[in-house]
Amino acid sequence: DTGVSQDPRHKITKRGQNVTFRCDPISEHNRLYWYRQTLGQGPEFLTYFQNEAQLEKSRLLSDRFSAERPKGSFSTLEIQRTEQGDSAMYLCASTLFGASSYNEQFFGPGTRLTVL
Amino acid sequence: AQSVTQPDIHITVSEGASLELRCNYSYGATPYLFWYVQSPGQGLQLLLKYFSGDTLVQGIKGFEAEFKRSQSSFNLRKPSVHWSDAAEYFCAVGARGSGNTPLVFGKGTRLSVIA
Repeated sequence: DTGVSQDPRHKITKRGQNVTFRCDPISEHNRLYWYRQTLGQGPEFLTYFQNEAQLEKSRLLSDRFSAERPKGSFSTLEIQRTEQGDSAMYLCASTLFGASSYNEQFFGPGTRLTVL
Repeated sequence: AQSVTQPDIHITVSEGASLELRCNYSYGATPYLFWYVQSPGQGLQLLLKYFSGDTLVQGIKGFEAEFKRSQSSFNLRKPSVHWSDAAEYFCAVGARGSGNTPLVFGKGTRLSVIA
């Protein structure tokens, strides 16, 4: 257990429905990342936050996806009008940012989304 | 932009045999280099990392990796594999310069261990 938690662990939804996932990082960590992992692939970066500020969004993050980290603690990732191609494992990671170094990213167990 | 190639999709080794998982990266300079392991249904766990200095780095669970600048490689090794090492292994790179940029992962190598 890395200390990063994600909820729910599994989500099955029908195409066209909206879903929201939550990530609780390690408490003192100021950076939070979202990655997506499809079957047979490595994780791919979606977006990340420094405290409550969203610093970067990947081109993978279509306008149906939105993420926020309102108080610089937990984060949510919402997918609107889900499509079957959204089926994947959504991973959250956190770290304590250091400008002159690269600190370990701790990953949560992921939320597995299945869109029927 | 950086990229990572893991040439082997699936490797099967006998328990007790040695292991080498290959990783090649593409980046303008020497990136930060990582190996992660993912067991079924689990998140990723860091095995080891290379930032600078000694090109042979030791990690957890008896793993080591060697950075070779001339080959743009960061191969993972273990002298004697245990059945519990069966998992998915990912090589990843992080860009230097501004600290803790998002990681770029390879597609992974699935390791099976047979008796």
